[in-house]
Amino acid sequence: GAGVSQSPRYKVAKRGQDVALRCDPISGHVSLFWYQQALGQGPEFLTYFQNEAQLDKSGLPSDRFFAERPEGSVSTLKIQRTQQEDSAVYLCASSLVVAGGYNEQFFGPGTRLTVL
Amino acid sequence: AQSVTQLDSQVPVFEEAPVELRCNYSSSVSVYLFWYVQYPNQGLQLLLKYLSGSTLVESINGFEAEFNKSQTSFHLRKPSVHISDTAEYFCAVSVQGAQKLVFGQGTRLTINP
Repeated sequence: GAGVSQSPRYKVAKRGQDVALRCDPISGHVSLFWYQQALGQGPEFLTYFQNEAQLDKSGLPSDRFFAERPEGSVSTLKIQRTQQEDSAVYLCASSLVVAGGYNEQFFGPGTRLTVL
Repeated sequence: AQSVTQLDSQVPVFEEAPVELRCNYSSSVSVYLFWYVQYPNQGLQLLLKYLSGSTLVESINGFEAEFNKSQTSFHLRKPSVHISDTAEYFCAVSVQGAQKLVFGQGTRLTINP
């Protein structure tokens, strides 16, 4: 079946521009995660949704970062007034079970954002 | 807070040689442990996981990892590597009952013929 998809796969923005990154999770998956992976580093947690509720946004680096999942399916990560330090691969993951125990996260291919 | 340290950023080995990728973690509470693999131009894939029970876990392609609670380690091993194992490997933890993953910095495994 279809996995997690992300669009666009590549995005080049000029410093100061706003960008929107989209994630389509696996159908029926309740949980959705965003991670940021800087060059040469491991992914770092940004935020987590359970259905449409944003339960954890502790990893968002500044108030320029905003994520939403209004209908509990597709999610958008928006970055306002992009800075060069925002250049990274943004990964989306989804998982099936709501809470408790272990829920495997399935990752999308990522969106590579380059801010010039 | 949890943290993960992968001691080697790059590991070059010859084909058919054994390999060990090291991972240490810190946490004051019980955790789940994972190894993810990222092949060139592909997304992250779960390689193997430790949740509970036997401390030795295996993957379908010959990798194994052993959870060592006293040394807070979860090293990844393979007795004989293949060219197709060339990839970046990430160790990760999650607190039991929580959702987010905390990743190490990654280890790039390069297989030389």
